[in-house]
Amino acid sequence: EAGVTQSPRYAVLQEGQAVSFWCDPISGHDTLYWYQQPRDQGPQLLVYFRDEAVIDNSQLPSDRFSAVRPKGTNSTLKIQSAKQGDTATYLCASSFWGGSYEQYFGPGTRLTVL
Amino acid sequence: GQQVQQSPASLVLQEGENAELQCNFSSTATQLQWFYQSPGGSLVSLLSNPSGTKHTGRLTSTTVTKERRSSLHISSSQTTDSGTYLCAIDLANSAGNKLTFGIGTRVLVRP
Repeated sequence: EAGVTQSPRYAVLQEGQAVSFWCDPISGHDTLYWYQQPRDQGPQLLVYFRDEAVIDNSQLPSDRFSAVRPKGTNSTLKIQSAKQGDTATYLCASSFWGGSYEQYFGPGTRLTVL
Repeated sequence: GQQVQQSPASLVLQEGENAELQCNFSSTATQLQWFYQSPGGSLVSLLSNPSGTKHTGRLTSTTVTKERRSSLHISSSQTTDSGTYLCAIDLANSAGNKLTFGIGTRVLVRP
């Protein structure tokens, strides 16, 4: 069974540029999460979906970040006008709602904003 | 204050030694997961253990829910165990879906 896949693996931007991250969850997992992990910190939840619906985006900086999951499968996280403070690894995870709630993580996208 | 606290912050072991990592949390949890993260790598789920004791390979996790603490015991450490161990729980009664992570314990196992 394939795990969670993410692309790209790395991104380097100048401040003010935009970037998109893509995630393909484990097949059959209806819940998808995006986390931000700054260096030397634990991951912090940005947003999560059940199917195509946003369940919680309270930690997503809405002025510059957006996330969609239009068909309830793949998801895209976009940063408009990146800032140096956005430098972090962006992790996608998936789980099955109503199951054990165990979350399975993808390899992450390491973003550097210069 | 920090909702999930892990200790120690770092640990150096000689190969073959045992180690115990601690996770304390500020409210009751219905889900608790221990993760491993290699340097520059992704998170790998080690154990899901909201209560009681669970084993997998050389790892044992014991969670005492009413005392809001969990431990991860690594026996007979190997150099490949080096990395960061993260504890995560669901806070605020989020039905298990909203994990809050600690900062982690960095483990270095020397040959």
